[in-house]
Amino acid sequence: QLQLQESGPGLVKPSETLSLTCSVSGGSISSSSYYWGWIRQPPGRGLEWIGSIFYGGSTFYNPSLKSRVTISVDTSKNQFSLKLSSVTAADTAVYYCVRGDYVTRGFDPWGQGTLVTVSS
Amino acid sequence: EIVMTQTPLSSPVTLGQPASISCTSSQSLVHSDGNTYLSWLQQRPGQPPRLLIYKISNRFSGVPDRFSGSGAGTDFTLKISRVEAEDVGVYYCMQATQFPWTFGQGTKVEIK
Repeated sequence: QLQLQESGPGLVKPSETLSLTCSVSGGSISSSSYYWGWIRQPPGRGLEWIGSIFYGGSTFYNPSLKSRVTISVDTSKNQFSLKLSSVTAADTAVYYCVRGDYVTRGFDPWGQGTLVTVSS
Repeated sequence: EIVMTQTPLSSPVTLGQPASISCTSSQSLVHSDGNTYLSWLQQRPGQPPRLLIYKISNRFSGVPDRFSGSGAGTDFTLKISRVEAEDVGVYYCMQATQFPWTFGQGTKVEIK
């Protein structure tokens, strides 16, 4: 079945750019039935939707992060990525990549998550 | 932004007994296409969340039938008919009707 795996640095300095990649296996990222996204969870806290990229390449981002976020897809590598600029300690979180379904508008599956700490 | 409010935030339950979690949205979750995009997710300790229920009451593939969802408009409920040990974790409601998509604060289900 489809699996997602996040990768990227676990430590990012304040004011720098957080960059994560999600590798998709067991299915094509180009399917018109699904979209892709990122969700984060600060340690011990709840879930925050960061944004999603839809079939055709359109993107929607959380306004709380909008000016700092970019989500893109690389179909040749069956991957999608997240870039979050000008990070602060408040961006410390577990970052999950997810697949969304146009019919259910639910997220499944989820990657295992990767902890990114913002610290000098 | 639609605010999702869950109650209670913590629910100690006896094994085999029912549990119920409420989720209220600050605006109606009925989409212009007629659907209501309210989901429930379960996050077991140390695990990523997983989808349990979508569009209010539809159980996702592989979800036991002791889980059920109900509601309409702005008020929704997740029920577990008989809590089992593997149900321990945090449950979130989530709306995908209007951007930005938002989650409830989470409800921790634990065994008494």
